[in-house]
Formats: sequence, C-alpha cells, structure tokens
Amino acid sequence: NAGVTQTPKFRVLKTGQSMTLLCAQDMNHEYMYWYRQDPGMGLRLIHYSVGEGTTAKGEVPDGYNVSRLKKQNFLLGLESAAPSQTSVYFCASSRGSSYNEQFFGPGTRLTVL
Amino acid sequence: KNEVEQSPQNLTAQEGEFITINCSYSVGISALHWLQQHPGGGIVSLFMLSSGKKKHGRLIATINIQEKHSSLHITASHPRDSAVYICAVSPLTGNQFYFGTGTSLTVIP
Repeated sequence: NAGVTQTPKFRVLKTGQSMTLLCAQDMNHEYMYWYRQDPGMGLRLIHYSVGEGTTAKGEVPDGYNVSRLKKQNFLLGLESAAPSQTSVYFCASSRGSSYNEQFFGPGTRLTVL
Repeated sequence: KNEVEQSPQNLTAQEGEFITINCSYSVGISALHWLQQHPGGGIVSLFMLSSGKKKHGRLIATINIQEKHSSLHITASHPRDSAVYICAVSPLTGNQFYFGTGTSLTVIP
C-alpha cells in the first residue's frame, strides 16, 4: 500500500498562476485534509472532507478551493497564486475524526514568486 | 487563540540524555497525538492516546486528562531522534485536529 501520496513534490509558480495539488490515499479513509505548514505557525487546516462529494472550510481557506469527486482523491486548487501562499502543503487522511490516527502525505513545497 | 501549547520550542541535548517535551491543551478531547517530523521529511504518527501511558521502544507518552496535559519522553536519546515533535488533539466536537507549533529537538553526539 502506498498510503497517502501527493503530486507534485515541488513547484514554483509566478504570482497569478494557477495550479492543482493532488492527494491520493489507498486506505479507504472517509476523511481527508489539506494543511499548510509555515515556520513558527504549526500546521493550519485549509479545507477538509468527511466523505466523497463533501468539502468544508478550515482555518485558512481563502485563496484555495478543493474537490473530492472520488473517495480516494482530494484536490487542492490555487486559482491565482500569491506570494503569501508560499508554504509546504500536507495532505492527510483518517478513518474518522475522533479516536483515529491521521496519515500524512510527504508534502508539496510550493514557492510563489 | 492556541488550543494546543507545547514547550519547549527548541531543545538541544547530548546523546544519551533523557528528554521531556510537554503539551497542554484547552479543549475537551477524544484523543491526543504525538507526531514526528524529520528535517525536510514527512510527518509520522508516534502515539495516539486518550488515557494513561504508552511506550514504543525508547519513547514514552503520558497523558493526564484532568490536567489537560501530556508529555513525550525519550530515554537514552540518539542523534537520529533529532526532529520536530508535534502534539495534536482530536476535540470532542467538530471534525478538525488542533496542532501545537512543534518542538525542535537536536541531539548532539
């Protein structure tokens, strides 16, 4: 099993460009999450999904959109990238939210110039 | 407002030392998680606990639900333990996890 995978691993964008980050999990998990990690701030939740076809906003959703068309995939889109979105992005999945472990992808390092 | 606070933020230890990282939280929880992140690496789960104590090799995690406090101990520390250790909680209500800002540990040979 691959667990949680993320594509791409690295990306450099110019301000105003768009891109989509793909997260895939093969553990049949219902819950999926997108986080960003910035120095000194810890992991912050961008959007999450509690099942196929559902999405919800997290702590820092502005400038991002998500889709969960298939249970195993969770896409994070940046429509018009800004330098403030330079960060490391982590996807995670879990069976549920309560007494359940989160499994993290390897991360995507995004730089917006 | 930070639901999860960790201390210390940074920690340097000599190889072989006993290490303690602390985590305090302010919400009711169903579980507390300790995560490890090596430099430039991904995030892995070390422990998930809701009461008492758990042990994996040289790592021990404890939790006191009444005091809303958890500790991660590393016995006989080794340079390969150098990493960022993150405390996270699953709150009783809602679908989100809350994360601490992490403790950066460096173990010197």
